[in-house]
Amino acid sequence: AQTVTQSQPEMSVQEAETVTLSCTYDTSESDYYLFWYKQPPSRQMILVIRQEAYKQQNATENRFSVNFQKAAKSFSLKISDSQLGDAAMYFCAYRTSNAGGTSYGKLTFGQGTILTVHP
Amino acid sequence: NAGVTQTPKFQVLKTGQSMTLQCAQDMNHEYMSWYRQDPGMGLRLIHYSVGAGITDQGEVPNGYNVSRSTTEDFPLRLLSAAPSQTSVYFCASSYSLVGELFFGEGSRLTVL
Repeated sequence: AQTVTQSQPEMSVQEAETVTLSCTYDTSESDYYLFWYKQPPSRQMILVIRQEAYKQQNATENRFSVNFQKAAKSFSLKISDSQLGDAAMYFCAYRTSNAGGTSYGKLTFGQGTILTVHP
Repeated sequence: NAGVTQTPKFQVLKTGQSMTLQCAQDMNHEYMSWYRQDPGMGLRLIHYSVGAGITDQGEVPNGYNVSRSTTEDFPLRLLSAAPSQTSVYFCASSYSLVGELFFGEGSRLTVL
C-alpha cells in the first residue's frame, strides 16, 4: 500500500518570503499522480498543483511550484512571494494511475502541514 | 455550477443514533468517495464508488454504509453513532479514476 509522509507538522514564513513544504511517499508503482491541496480555515479543500509522474518537468502554477524527485520519492511544494491568504493546512496526496490494482482510484493523503504567514 | 454539495454542514448526535450525510455532484463524475479528517491523521478513505450500483470499502469502513443508486448521489450512513466517529467528513468526486478529486465543503459531526 502507498504511504505519504509530511514530516513538518507546522511551518511559518514572513510575508513576501519563500517557503518549502516537504512530502515523501512510498510506492512500488511507476505511474501515478501527486497533488498538493490547500485547506484554509473555511475547511474547503482546494487543489493547488498536480504532477504526473511520467512528466520530468516540475509543475508550476503562478507562485506555486514543485520539486519532483521520482527516484527519491520526494514531492516538495515551494510557495514564492508568500501572501497572508496562503495561510492554511497543506496536504500532499498520491493517486495511482495503474488500473486493476487494489489502490486504483484511491487518493492517499499525508498528515498535513500547517502554514502560518507573518505580516 | 454547484460542484459537490454536502449536507448537513454541522450535526450533533447522541451515541447510538443513526443519520445520513448527503452528497450530490452535478459534474457527471463516475467516481465518488467519502473521507474523514481527524487531527494529525490527514484524510482517510471510508468508502468509494466507481459508478452507479458499485461501491467498495476504503481504509476505515466500519460503522458506515453507502449506496450509489444514481450517478449524482452518494449518501453515507452512520448505523449506530459512536464517539469515535466524531470527525469532519468530506465527499469527493472525479471524472475518472485518475487525476484530481473535487471536494465538498465538509460536514462536522459530533457524537456525544
